Amino acid sequence: IAGITQAPTSQILAAGRRMTLRCTQDMRHNAMYWYRQDLGLGLRLIHYSNTAGTTGKGEVPDGYSVSRANTDDFPLTLASAVPSQTSVYFCASSEAGVNTGELFFGEGSRLTVL
Amino acid sequence: AQSVTQLDSHVSVSEGTPVLLRCNYSSSYSPSLFWYVQHPNKGLQLLLKYTSAATLVKGINGFEAEFKKSETSFHLTKPSAHMSDAAEYFCVVRGKGGGNKLTFGTGTQLKVEL
Repeated sequence: IAGITQAPTSQILAAGRRMTLRCTQDMRHNAMYWYRQDLGLGLRLIHYSNTAGTTGKGEVPDGYSVSRANTDDFPLTLASAVPSQTSVYFCASSEAGVNTGELFFGEGSRLTVL
Repeated sequence: AQSVTQLDSHVSVSEGTPVLLRCNYSSSYSPSLFWYVQHPNKGLQLLLKYTSAATLVKGINGFEAEFKKSETSFHLTKPSAHMSDAAEYFCVVRGKGGGNKLTFGTGTQLKVEL
């Protein structure tokens, strides 16, 4: 089934450790996004990429980095995790240039930083 | 800047009764508005969208929403709730720059009781 695959689905991490959340899509969408979901705050955009080779900062980019070496993959890295980064992270994609507002989401990666 | 406010964090209805999830928006321009649904432990899915065409928008699973500029509202309704409608619902507005960068509301948890 076509869609977005995120890994890991769940992870417990010690503060100060480095962590990469993986995201792969097979829909050949140009645009990809990373959101974090926190109770009472909805989803907030961390970083995005409109096409391979380009990235941009969202609403809450501090402490996170991304890369977009190819169309399919959009990993999110926490260089030195802190407890405030405990959250559920969602990767999404959309067809750039087609402004439908329709994003396709993965099932999330639940991260706990202790 | 654009924003959305979901007026209820939790709504509880009986199966077979109407559903009303309220959303107000704030925007300095004509907005594009969306409703997304998230079932437990799943990613988000587009339910419906308003992009300046018809003010009454029909979505999947019998949901609809009406854009009311005079009231700056975009409430989500369904005539008869089903148990499978139990989920979290997000009202969403698109950024001024267009594209698919979205700003999410804080969510409304819908509970459907027998």
